Amino acid sequence: EPEVTQTPSHQVTQMGQEVILRCVPISNHLYFYWYRQILGQKVEFLVSFYNNEISEKSEIFDDQFSVERPDGSNFTLKIRSTKLEDSAMYFCASRPGRLLYNEQFFGPGTRLTVL
Amino acid sequence: QKEVEQDPGPLSVPEGAIVSLNCTYSNSAFQYFMWYRQYSRKGPELLMYTYSSGNKEDGRFTAQVDKSSKYISLFIRDSQPSDSATYLCAMSDGNDMRFGAGTRLTVKP
Repeated sequence: EPEVTQTPSHQVTQMGQEVILRCVPISNHLYFYWYRQILGQKVEFLVSFYNNEISEKSEIFDDQFSVERPDGSNFTLKIRSTKLEDSAMYFCASRPGRLLYNEQFFGPGTRLTVL
Repeated sequence: QKEVEQDPGPLSVPEGAIVSLNCTYSNSAFQYFMWYRQYSRKGPELLMYTYSSGNKEDGRFTAQVDKSSKYISLFIRDSQPSDSATYLCAMSDGNDMRFGAGTRLTVKP
């Protein structure tokens, strides 16, 4: 069964460093998402991506964040200068998009720890 | 007012109990209502999905949506220890999705 994959599973970085979180969505899916979940808190929407551009972003997704689909299979989230408060689980999700509603399939997440 | 409100619990019940989980919301544009289950340190996985108002049953799980009250529920019958997880309600207007805080459920044997 196809699934969303994410790498790395755990990323440790120093404050101020850039990190890139990688996701491989399910191959025939058209919509891609990043979510964040701070430990013990709710899953928060960051950004949605369709047709090679951002379709919606939350107030969390400021200028420090960017997304890219560099090669038609990977979908990346970059944080330019990490802050302590960026420590969280980051989930990638994708959905087919051909119908008005499609289930979003989530990856296993990347745990980001900013020291 | 938050877009989606969900009591985070925790909720602890004995095995076999009926569990009731609820969410309220404020955005009238939401048409699709989902319940996700999340085990510790895993991504959310879709448990049930309902379109507009009404009930939907799947085995021991029943989802209810009352759009007039902006209130959704998930009922778990004959709860099992394997049901122990965090249950997240989520809602969509057909494009993007918003989650509730998640209710942490423990079913004790």
